[in-house]
Amino acid sequence: ETGVTQTPRHLVMGMTNKKSLKCEQHLGHNAMYWYKQSAKKPLELMFVYNFKEQTENNSVPSRFSPECPNSSHLFLHLHTLQPEDSALYLCASSQQGTGETDTQYFGPGTRLTVL
Amino acid sequence: TQLLEQSPQFLSIQEGENLTVYCNSSSVFSSLQWYRQEPGEGPVLLVTVVTGGEVKKLKRLTFQFGDARKDSSLHITAAQPGDTGLYLCAGAWYYGNKLVFGAGTILRVKS
Repeated sequence: ETGVTQTPRHLVMGMTNKKSLKCEQHLGHNAMYWYKQSAKKPLELMFVYNFKEQTENNSVPSRFSPECPNSSHLFLHLHTLQPEDSALYLCASSQQGTGETDTQYFGPGTRLTVL
Repeated sequence: TQLLEQSPQFLSIQEGENLTVYCNSSSVFSSLQWYRQEPGEGPVLLVTVVTGGEVKKLKRLTFQFGDARKDSSLHITAAQPGDTGLYLCAGAWYYGNKLVFGAGTILRVKS
Protein backbone atom coordinates (compact mmCIF):
# COMPACT_ATOMS: atom_id res chain seq x y z
CA GLU A 1 0.00 0.00 0.00
CA THR A 2 1.72 3.16 -1.22
CA GLY A 3 -0.94 5.66 -0.18
CA VAL A 4 -2.12 6.18 -3.75
CA THR A 5 -5.33 4.47 -4.85
CA GLN A 6 -6.78 4.13 -8.33
CA THR A 7 -10.20 3.07 -9.54
CA PRO A 8 -11.27 1.15 -11.43
CA ARG A 9 -8.47 -1.42 -11.55
CA HIS A 10 -9.70 -2.79 -14.86
CA LEU A 11 -11.75 -1.10 -17.58
CA VAL A 12 -12.97 -2.33 -20.94
CA MET A 13 -14.58 0.25 -23.19
CA GLY A 14 -15.67 0.73 -26.76
CA MET A 15 -14.28 3.47 -28.95
CA THR A 16 -17.47 5.53 -28.60
CA ASN A 17 -17.71 5.30 -24.81
CA LYS A 18 -16.90 7.98 -22.27
CA LYS A 19 -15.30 6.89 -19.03
CA SER A 20 -13.17 8.36 -16.24
CA LEU A 21 -10.24 7.08 -14.23
CA LYS A 22 -9.88 8.23 -10.64
CA CYS A 23 -6.80 8.63 -8.48
CA GLU A 24 -6.61 9.62 -4.83
CA GLN A 25 -3.50 10.15 -2.74
CA HIS A 26 -3.48 10.02 1.07
CA LEU A 27 0.09 11.27 1.49
CA GLY A 28 -0.49 15.01 1.70
CA HIS A 29 1.51 15.57 -1.49
CA ASN A 30 1.16 18.64 -3.68
CA ALA A 31 1.97 17.17 -7.10
CA MET A 32 0.17 14.44 -9.07
CA TYR A 33 0.93 12.72 -12.35
CA TRP A 34 -0.63 10.51 -15.02
CA TYR A 35 1.57 8.01 -16.84
CA LYS A 36 0.84 5.52 -19.62
CA GLN A 37 2.64 2.16 -19.54
CA SER A 38 2.61 0.03 -22.67
CA ALA A 39 4.37 -3.29 -23.13
CA LYS A 40 8.11 -3.05 -23.76
CA LYS A 41 8.07 0.77 -23.70
CA PRO A 42 9.22 3.20 -21.01
CA LEU A 43 6.61 4.84 -18.85
CA GLU A 44 5.27 7.82 -20.74
CA LEU A 45 4.51 10.93 -18.72
CA MET A 46 1.14 12.35 -19.77
CA PHE A 47 0.22 15.14 -17.36
CA VAL A 48 1.66 16.85 -14.29
CA TYR A 49 -0.27 18.89 -11.76
CA ASN A 50 1.48 21.07 -9.19
CA PHE A 51 -0.70 22.64 -6.51
CA LYS A 52 -3.77 21.73 -8.62
CA GLU A 53 -2.41 23.57 -11.66
CA GLN A 54 -1.48 21.67 -14.80
CA THR A 55 2.19 22.29 -15.48
CA GLU A 56 2.87 19.62 -18.07
CA ASN A 57 0.95 18.23 -21.03
CA ASN A 58 3.28 15.90 -22.84
CA SER A 59 1.64 16.22 -26.28
CA VAL A 60 -1.25 14.03 -25.21
CA PRO A 61 -4.19 13.71 -27.64
CA SER A 62 -7.29 15.67 -26.67
CA ARG A 63 -9.29 12.47 -26.23
CA PHE A 64 -7.55 12.33 -22.83
CA SER A 65 -8.72 15.12 -20.53
CA PRO A 66 -7.29 15.47 -17.00
CA GLU A 67 -8.97 17.13 -14.06
CA CYS A 68 -7.50 17.99 -10.65
CA PRO A 69 -10.20 19.42 -8.36
CA ASN A 70 -7.89 19.44 -5.31
CA SER A 71 -4.42 18.32 -4.36
CA SER A 72 -5.63 14.86 -3.31
CA HIS A 73 -7.69 13.86 -6.33
CA LEU A 74 -6.86 13.45 -9.99
CA PHE A 75 -9.10 12.28 -12.80
CA LEU A 76 -8.49 11.25 -16.38
CA HIS A 77 -11.54 11.59 -18.58
CA LEU A 78 -11.57 9.38 -21.66
CA HIS A 79 -13.64 9.70 -24.83
CA THR A 80 -13.49 8.30 -28.35
CA LEU A 81 -10.37 6.30 -27.59
CA GLN A 82 -8.51 4.13 -30.06
CA PRO A 83 -7.41 0.49 -29.61
CA GLU A 84 -3.78 1.67 -29.39
CA ASP A 85 -4.73 3.54 -26.22
CA SER A 86 -5.03 0.20 -24.43
CA ALA A 87 -2.41 0.22 -21.68
CA LEU A 88 -1.85 0.42 -17.94
CA TYR A 89 -2.54 3.96 -16.73
CA LEU A 90 -0.62 4.86 -13.61
CA CYS A 91 -1.15 7.73 -11.22
CA ALA A 92 1.63 9.01 -8.99
CA SER A 93 2.14 11.75 -6.42
CA SER A 94 5.11 13.54 -4.88
CA GLN A 95 5.93 16.38 -2.54
CA GLN A 96 7.59 19.24 -4.38
CA GLY A 97 9.38 22.31 -3.08
CA THR A 98 10.91 20.78 0.03
CA GLY A 99 14.40 20.38 -1.37
CA GLU A 100 14.05 16.61 -1.46
CA THR A 101 14.66 14.51 -4.52
CA ASP A 102 11.69 13.86 -6.75
CA THR A 103 10.44 10.64 -5.22
CA GLN A 104 7.17 9.66 -6.81
CA TYR A 105 4.75 7.19 -5.27
CA PHE A 106 2.62 5.19 -7.66
CA GLY A 107 -0.85 3.74 -7.48
CA PRO A 108 -1.63 0.20 -8.67
CA GLY A 109 -2.83 1.41 -12.06
CA THR A 110 -5.92 0.94 -14.21
CA ARG A 111 -5.63 -1.69 -16.93
CA LEU A 112 -7.55 -0.18 -19.87
CA THR A 113 -8.66 -2.17 -22.89
CA VAL A 114 -10.25 -0.34 -25.82
CA LEU A 115 -12.24 -2.54 -28.18
CA THR B 1 16.25 6.99 -28.94
CA GLN B 2 15.56 6.52 -25.27
CA LEU B 3 17.15 8.89 -22.76
CA LEU B 4 17.73 6.03 -20.33
CA GLU B 5 18.85 2.68 -21.70
CA GLN B 6 18.38 -0.34 -19.49
CA SER B 7 20.08 -3.66 -20.04
CA PRO B 8 19.42 -6.46 -20.24
CA GLN B 9 15.76 -6.25 -21.27
CA PHE B 10 15.05 -9.71 -19.93
CA LEU B 11 16.90 -11.95 -17.50
CA SER B 12 16.00 -15.48 -16.44
CA ILE B 13 18.21 -17.05 -13.78
CA GLN B 14 18.22 -19.80 -11.18
CA GLU B 15 17.70 -19.15 -7.50
CA GLY B 16 21.00 -18.33 -5.80
CA GLU B 17 22.67 -16.70 -8.79
CA ASN B 18 23.94 -13.14 -8.84
CA LEU B 19 22.94 -10.56 -11.44
CA THR B 20 23.51 -6.96 -12.44
CA VAL B 21 21.12 -4.60 -14.24
CA TYR B 22 22.45 -1.49 -15.91
CA CYS B 23 20.93 1.92 -16.56
CA ASN B 24 22.85 4.24 -18.89
CA SER B 25 22.37 7.71 -20.29
CA SER B 26 24.27 10.52 -21.96
CA SER B 27 22.41 12.97 -19.74
CA VAL B 28 23.37 14.08 -16.23
CA PHE B 29 20.72 13.63 -13.57
CA SER B 30 20.29 15.21 -10.16
CA SER B 31 19.23 11.83 -8.81
CA LEU B 32 18.32 8.40 -10.03
CA GLN B 33 15.68 6.10 -8.67
CA TRP B 34 15.12 2.38 -8.93
CA TYR B 35 11.64 0.90 -8.82
CA ARG B 36 10.32 -2.66 -8.81
CA GLN B 37 6.98 -3.47 -10.36
CA GLU B 38 5.02 -6.70 -10.01
CA PRO B 39 2.33 -7.79 -12.48
CA GLY B 40 -0.91 -5.88 -11.97
CA GLU B 41 0.66 -3.36 -9.62
CA GLY B 42 2.33 0.02 -9.85
CA PRO B 43 6.08 0.59 -9.45
CA VAL B 44 7.36 0.62 -5.87
CA LEU B 45 10.39 2.73 -5.02
CA LEU B 46 13.45 0.73 -3.93
CA VAL B 47 16.08 3.45 -3.57
CA THR B 48 17.11 6.94 -4.61
CA VAL B 49 20.79 7.72 -5.28
CA VAL B 50 21.83 11.34 -5.27
CA THR B 51 25.61 11.70 -5.03
CA GLY B 52 27.99 10.71 -7.85
CA GLY B 53 29.77 7.48 -6.87
CA GLU B 54 27.22 6.72 -4.18
CA VAL B 55 26.62 3.10 -3.21
CA LYS B 56 23.50 2.06 -1.31
CA LYS B 57 22.65 -1.39 -0.01
CA LEU B 58 19.21 -2.78 0.64
CA LYS B 59 19.63 -6.31 2.00
CA ARG B 60 20.81 -8.35 -1.03
CA LEU B 61 20.46 -5.40 -3.41
CA THR B 62 23.35 -3.01 -4.08
CA PHE B 63 22.77 0.20 -6.02
CA GLN B 64 25.51 2.38 -7.47
CA PHE B 65 25.35 5.84 -9.04
CA GLY B 66 28.09 6.60 -11.56
CA ASP B 67 30.69 9.26 -10.74
CA ALA B 68 29.40 11.43 -13.61
CA ARG B 69 25.75 10.93 -12.54
CA LYS B 70 24.86 9.50 -15.96
CA ASP B 71 24.53 5.84 -15.15
CA SER B 72 23.59 3.42 -12.42
CA SER B 73 23.63 -0.28 -11.67
CA LEU B 74 21.62 -2.65 -9.54
CA HIS B 75 23.33 -5.81 -8.31
CA ILE B 76 21.37 -8.61 -6.67
CA THR B 77 23.23 -11.26 -4.68
CA ALA B 78 21.81 -14.76 -4.32
CA ALA B 79 18.59 -14.01 -6.16
CA GLN B 80 15.33 -15.40 -4.76
CA PRO B 81 12.05 -16.17 -6.57
CA GLY B 82 10.56 -13.25 -4.68
CA ASP B 83 12.91 -10.93 -6.59
CA THR B 84 10.99 -11.66 -9.78
CA GLY B 85 9.53 -8.52 -11.34
CA LEU B 86 10.12 -5.55 -13.60
CA TYR B 87 12.98 -3.29 -12.50
CA LEU B 88 12.79 0.31 -13.64
CA CYS B 89 15.33 3.08 -13.36
CA ALA B 90 14.23 6.71 -13.51
CA GLY B 91 16.31 9.87 -13.73
CA ALA B 92 15.33 13.22 -12.23
CA TRP B 93 16.43 16.53 -13.71
CA TYR B 94 17.88 19.36 -11.68
CA TYR B 95 14.85 21.56 -12.27
CA GLY B 96 11.20 20.69 -12.30
CA ASN B 97 9.61 17.46 -11.17
CA LYS B 98 9.76 15.29 -14.25
CA LEU B 99 11.18 11.80 -14.22
CA VAL B 100 12.43 9.99 -17.31
CA PHE B 101 12.12 6.21 -17.16
CA GLY B 102 14.03 3.40 -18.77
CA ALA B 103 12.09 0.63 -20.53
CA GLY B 104 12.81 -1.76 -17.68
CA THR B 105 14.42 -5.13 -17.07
CA ILE B 106 12.16 -8.14 -16.59
CA LEU B 107 13.76 -10.47 -14.04
CA ARG B 108 12.59 -14.02 -13.55
CA VAL B 109 14.16 -16.10 -10.80
CA LYS B 110 13.41 -19.80 -11.01
CA SER B 111 13.44 -22.07 -7.97
